Amino acid sequence: GEQVEQLPSSLIVQEGASVLINCSYTDSASVYFPWYKQEPGKRLQFIIDIRSNMERKQNQRLTLLFDKKTKHLSLHITATQPGDSAIYFCSANNNRIFFGDGTQLVVKP
Amino acid sequence: EAGVTQSPRYAVLQEGQAVSFWCDPISGHDTLYWYQQPRDQGPQLLVYFRDEAVIDNSQLPSDRFSAVRPKGTNSTLKIQSAKQGDTATYLCASSFGDRNTLYFGEGSRLIVV
Repeated sequence: GEQVEQLPSSLIVQEGASVLINCSYTDSASVYFPWYKQEPGKRLQFIIDIRSNMERKQNQRLTLLFDKKTKHLSLHITATQPGDSAIYFCSANNNRIFFGDGTQLVVKP
Repeated sequence: EAGVTQSPRYAVLQEGQAVSFWCDPISGHDTLYWYQQPRDQGPQLLVYFRDEAVIDNSQLPSDRFSAVRPKGTNSTLKIQSAKQGDTATYLCASSFGDRNTLYFGEGSRLIVV
């Protein structure tokens, strides 16, 4: 079955820094890649997605890049704020949805 | 718009006891998922439904876990004879179709001692 791996597992940055979260998957049948964020004590929340016919998608301070050949995605967050502190999950969807183990981001003021 | 609702929020069991978790998805969402999320891991799919039909339950430990969605709306996940390894948060999510954004509930945290 599909396997989704995220790196790094954790990041600590100062407010204003940019961060990059990498994600790789194994099943070439996966066609939809949503990302979710989980703030402490809150539910998982959708933040951005990309489909396999796209290479790039931007939503305000979030940019998602997709490389179908290498089965790799990267989420770039610019101008980080303490409110961005959360666990970020990459997922791959080929009818079943598989999640990575998350990247914990801590943004220090 | 009301979000996905789950209950109970917390449960503490001794090994061998049973528990049921209930999920009310977003109105109009035809697809409903149950995930198990162990501490410090990502959600792992247990089962998903489209309307009242089970589409995939290949990861559901069928000897002790069962899930139903009889009218294609609310769903119940039941764990019989719980084990310590079942300690996790059980997440319900719903979507319109199975290749679209998931909307998650707050989860039901289970501790088995």
